[in-house]
Amino acid sequence: DIQMTQSPSSLSASVGDRVTITCRASQGISNYLAWYQQKPGKVPKLLIYATSTLQSGVPSRFSGSGSGTDFTLSINSLQPEDIATYYCQKYDRAPLTFGPGTKVEIK
Amino acid sequence: EVQLLESGGGVVQPGGSLRLSCAASGFTFSNYAMNWVRQAPGKGLEWVSVISVTDDTTYYADSVKGRFTISRDNSRNTLFLHMNSLRAEDTAIYYCVKRSGDGRGYYLDYWGQGTLVTVSS
Repeated sequence: DIQMTQSPSSLSASVGDRVTITCRASQGISNYLAWYQQKPGKVPKLLIYATSTLQSGVPSRFSGSGSGTDFTLSINSLQPEDIATYYCQKYDRAPLTFGPGTKVEIK
Repeated sequence: EVQLLESGGGVVQPGGSLRLSCAASGFTFSNYAMNWVRQAPGKGLEWVSVISVTDDTTYYADSVKGRFTISRDNSRNTLFLHMNSLRAEDTAIYYCVKRSGDGRGYYLDYWGQGTLVTVSS
């Protein structure tokens, strides 16, 4: 099975900073990569699918890129409401494995 | 508006069984594959299982294979997860999650609020 890794596992940044999270698949998954945001105590929410397509209602400061095995989630100008754990997930075929998550905090 | 409402969670002893249900509304349930995803306390997300629209294709995480069974009743817009031989490590919030289509290459787009399963003696 394909394994998903993320880096860093956590980060601390200031409001207004650009934040980048990396997700890597152990084998190629084309562009079948999604990102989810989970705020503390809340249900996960879909942010991005097909590597770079923003789900309806997601602020444009979020963006995704990559293909094959290496993917990136970027937050352009971090806001206090972006405090959350971010998960990548492959969805090309089962198992639909999640990455271990990246916790984003405000410095 | 898509709504997914899980039920059936609770406290069960190791080795016991439990059946989770997920009542779906706000979309044509029979057109979409459905999933279960779980999250142990303080841990990350773990995909558990997926079922196709016609009930004929199911997949499971290795951690639950042979113990859990996913099923659906399209006439009642309901998804199920039958859990047997429960272990302490199955303790988690279980989320019912809609897929954006059926077959390969569809992402998970809507999540329920989750139901907590606690396996403890």
